[in-house]
Parts: sequence; structure tokens; C-alpha cells
Amino acid sequence: AQSVSQHNHHVILSEAASLELGCNYSYGGTVNLFWYVQYPGQHLQLLLKYFSGDPLVKGIKGFEAEFIKSKFSFNLRKPSVQWSDTAEYFCAVNGGNSGNTPLVFGKGTRLSVIA
Amino acid sequence: ETGVTQSPTHLIKTRGQQVTLRCSSQSGHNTVSWYQQALGQGPQFIFQYYREEENGRGNFPPRFSGLQFPNYSSELNVNALELDDSALYLCASSLMGPQETQYFGPGTRLLVL
Repeated sequence: AQSVSQHNHHVILSEAASLELGCNYSYGGTVNLFWYVQYPGQHLQLLLKYFSGDPLVKGIKGFEAEFIKSKFSFNLRKPSVQWSDTAEYFCAVNGGNSGNTPLVFGKGTRLSVIA
Repeated sequence: ETGVTQSPTHLIKTRGQQVTLRCSSQSGHNTVSWYQQALGQGPQFIFQYYREEENGRGNFPPRFSGLQFPNYSSELNVNALELDDSALYLCASSLMGPQETQYFGPGTRLLVL
């Protein structure tokens, strides 16, 4: 069955700390991978995406993610978090072969950044 | 902003009632997908519409139905509401293709009492 696993339910970091959020997926065939962010009171926004090519992708606000095919992983990283990064982060996957297949989401990781 | 709008923003209904939620896609997008996000969970796929036809459905009962109009706006209808239908309903618009991004609207928060 297709699934996405996000290892951390809630992460608390101090400002300037480094961030890594884990994401593993189970999905047959070619995949597209996404990280979405949901800031408090706001809608889901695309942070970054991987379709093909360079497995290290850079997104907005200094975030990056690395696709490791052998590990079925797409971990999100940021070298130095800010208070404004406090949000819910969702990893998602869909098929990359044809059509526009449904996104399968993880349960999300809540990030709290404290001063 | 994604250009995807949804209405209403909040809604309170009672068990057994029916509800219609609306979504206006981003300009130029021909595909709309609906998701249900329960509290503390990731969004779950309900169904997708492409060129006014249902193009895939998740594990939701038939009382969840939808429409897509020629201008690519869309409706989600839920009949015989149950308490467990309380959730945030998200609409995402995109183009049809193997490497396309889905852009989400702000959602409609439905509370069923």
C-alpha cells in the first residue's frame, strides 16, 4: 500500500538550531516528492518538490531536501531555523509516470521554534 | 497566495444534514482534487476531477460526491453528515500531467454536531 511515514510528531528547536525532518515513503514506480508547510492559520503551501534530476532540491526560505532512492527517503533540512519557521510540515508523494495521481501525505511534523 | 479560493471558510451542520463546499481553481488549471484533513492528520484524498469527469476516488463512501464546471470551479457535496465528517476540507488545483504540482486553497472547516 502507498504510504508516507514522518518520524517525528513534534520537534522543538531553539532559534539558529539546525533542522532535519525525516520522511520515508512506500510507493511503487517513479515518484514525485513534495514538502508542504502549513503556518498557523494559513493554507498548505509548497515548500519544495522533486520530480527528477538532481536529488538535492532547494526550496523557499532556505529549506532543502535530499531524495535517497535506495532508502525511500526525502528528508527536509534547514541549517538555521527562525521563529517564523514554526509550522506544521507535511511530506507527500505521488506517481510520476502518468496523469496527476493523488497525493499521499504523511501525518505531519509540528515544528516549534523557541527564542 | 495560490489563487485557489474556497467557500465558506467555516460551517456548522448537524448529523444527517447535507453540505456543499465550493472551490475556485487557479487560472489556467484544469484539474481539481479534494482532500479531507482530520485534526492532527495529514490530508486524505477524496476524489479528483478533470474536464468535468471524476478521475479517481479515494476510500470515501458514495455520499461524498462532486462536480466540476466548465470554468473548472468545483463543488464537494456530502450527504447524510456524520460526526466523523468534521474536518478541514481542502481543494487543490493543478494541470493534468505526470509532473505537476497541486496548489491548495485555504480550506473549509466543517463541524458536524
